Amino acid sequence: NAGVTQTPKFQVLKTGQSMTLQCAQDMNHEYMSWYRQDPGMGLRLIHYSVGAGITDQGEVPNGYNVSRSTTEDFPLRLLSAAPSQTSVYFCASSYAGTAEAEKLFFGSGTQLSVL
Amino acid sequence: AQKITQTQPGMFVQEKEAVTLDCTYDTSDPSYGLFWYKQPSSGEMIFLIYQGSYDQQNATEGRYSLNFQKARKSANLVISASQLGDSAMYFCAMREWGRDDKIIFGKGTRLHILP
Repeated sequence: NAGVTQTPKFQVLKTGQSMTLQCAQDMNHEYMSWYRQDPGMGLRLIHYSVGAGITDQGEVPNGYNVSRSTTEDFPLRLLSAAPSQTSVYFCASSYAGTAEAEKLFFGSGTQLSVL
Repeated sequence: AQKITQTQPGMFVQEKEAVTLDCTYDTSDPSYGLFWYKQPSSGEMIFLIYQGSYDQQNATEGRYSLNFQKARKSANLVISASQLGDSAMYFCAMREWGRDDKIIFGKGTRLHILP
């Protein structure tokens, strides 16, 4: 059982470049989300989705786009990378709105550096 | 507004002592859940414990227990008989079931267990 698969693990970008962080889960979870982790700031929610075709903004959505065309995939797009987007990014998923939704499953993280 | 506060940036505790990590939250939703996660130096996010707002008893999982005080809006994590392997970052998180179902995290507490 793969769980939440996040790629790549490491990425270096130049300012202004674009890229997509991939996230896939094989647990049929309705809820998927992206967080960024910065020292002293904890995990901050970027975007989240409660099902295919539904996305919503989190706490720090600026500079990031998402889409949810399938239940399994939830890619995060950086359209024009900025040094302020240097961070560790986590994808996470869970069931939504049920008693089984007591646990959020995390990917292994992506270390992104923007020069 | 949904909010999680962890007021202890860092803690030092002697091995085998009990540890309490503080977490307070704010929500107007009567239906919510509270989580604790551990992040060791390897960076992975490890689920520890969950408490639902309607649960009558405090949640326990092995050496972990959640001291849930609803009126005070606090959800402190208690680790009994601490071990060197408990040294890590600890995050408190909250999910509002009745609203948009998003999950937000606190800034975390770095716990150091001293031999």
